[in-house]
Amino acid sequence: RKEVEQDPGPFNVPEGATVAFNCTYSNSASQSFFWYRQDCRKEPKLLMSVYSSGNEDGRFTAQLNRASQYISLLIRDSKLSDSATYLCAVAEAGDDKIIFGKGTRLHILP
Amino acid sequence: EAQVTQNPRYLITVTGKKLTVTCSQNMNHEYMSWYRQDPGLGLRQIYYSMNVEVTDKGDVPEGYKVSRKEKRNFPLILESPSPNQTSLYFCASSPTLAKNIQYFGAGTRLSVL
Repeated sequence: RKEVEQDPGPFNVPEGATVAFNCTYSNSASQSFFWYRQDCRKEPKLLMSVYSSGNEDGRFTAQLNRASQYISLLIRDSKLSDSATYLCAVAEAGDDKIIFGKGTRLHILP
Repeated sequence: EAQVTQNPRYLITVTGKKLTVTCSQNMNHEYMSWYRQDPGLGLRQIYYSMNVEVTDKGDVPEGYKVSRKEKRNFPLILESPSPNQTSLYFCASSPTLAKNIQYFGAGTRLSVL
């Protein structure tokens, strides 16, 4: 069974701090990687696609480590509004399915 | 506005009473999918469709049916709902394959008594 694993948290982090979490995947043939954000009782929304070279969008940085089979998400200068559950998603080349991790809960504390 | 629309948003029903949750997207996406989300289990794929008249089972298809007669619509059918199908359901669409970005509907919260 192909697995995508995340630390469920919660991560309780003071406002302004930097927080990072990882997502490991079991299938080395995985090709596409994403981070989604999900607010309580709402639908997941794409936060970032993860590229091989890594990518940054404002305070958010996503990286891929193929050798160790994980992706990471770094949030700098965290805001109260960053409180949410962060889901990673992994798809293989040519596969019809995308597998989601169970999510990591993040609480930013004032 | 590009969106995925699910209806109803909330539904309470009784065991055995057939129901349909509709899903429609206006982005001309080929790929559509249904997920259920349960505490501690995350998002699990029920069924997916790569195009009109093409549907396939996901990880948890038992007790569900789908159809894809038109590109924009992908209804989820529960022929005889049971309490273990109480869950939060999401429809999603993607331009082509699953490896593209998924756009989710707002969700349907179903309770089967």
